[in-house]
Amino acid sequence: NAGVTQTPKFRVLKTGQSMTLLCAQDMNHEYMYWYRQDPGMGLRLIHYSVGEGTTAKGEVPDGYNVSRLKKQNFLLGLESAAPSQTSVYFCASRPVGAQETQYFGPGTRLLVL
Amino acid sequence: RKEVEQDPGPFNVPEGATVAFNCTYSNSASQSFFWYRQDCRKEPKLLMSVYSSGNEDGRFTAQLNRASQYISLLIRDSKLSDSATYLCVVNLNYGGSQGNLIFGKGTKLSVKP
Repeated sequence: NAGVTQTPKFRVLKTGQSMTLLCAQDMNHEYMYWYRQDPGMGLRLIHYSVGEGTTAKGEVPDGYNVSRLKKQNFLLGLESAAPSQTSVYFCASRPVGAQETQYFGPGTRLLVL
Repeated sequence: RKEVEQDPGPFNVPEGATVAFNCTYSNSASQSFFWYRQDCRKEPKLLMSVYSSGNEDGRFTAQLNRASQYISLLIRDSKLSDSATYLCVVNLNYGGSQGNLIFGKGTKLSVKP
């Protein structure tokens, strides 16, 4: 049981390049989330999904797109990377249930030059 | 007013000390509460849930005061391995919130020999 995994662990992009971050979970969780964490800002929600085929915007969605084609995978896309998107990206998942909390992946460090 | 507020610290304490972290939340509709621990350059991990009756897990005690919208975490007999950032987390879990978590920015703890 690997829990939540993220690919890649680290990436350097040039401004304007695109990339996709992959999140996978093997816990059969319905809900999945993408966050970014910046110094002094805490964790901020980018997009989330409450089930296969559904996605919704979080607090800071601009510049990102997501897809949830399979229940176990949640993809975060950057179509045209900007230096402001330099951050650590965390994926999380949780089961359905009012009192349930979230379980995080190890993070992806992204540097946009 | 920010939704979840914490003293950022850092708290620098000697081994064996007792240290307390406080957190306030602004939304009275908040339903569930958690403390997460985040080590440097790692993902947040659930430390403990917080219940109205208060709960204890070894050296850690969490308290919730719904009337004051206040959450606390007490660490007794601090160990070097307790050095980390502690995140106060609230689950709104009402209406369209889909149970999204709101994270405080975290309080940094450094335990010294």
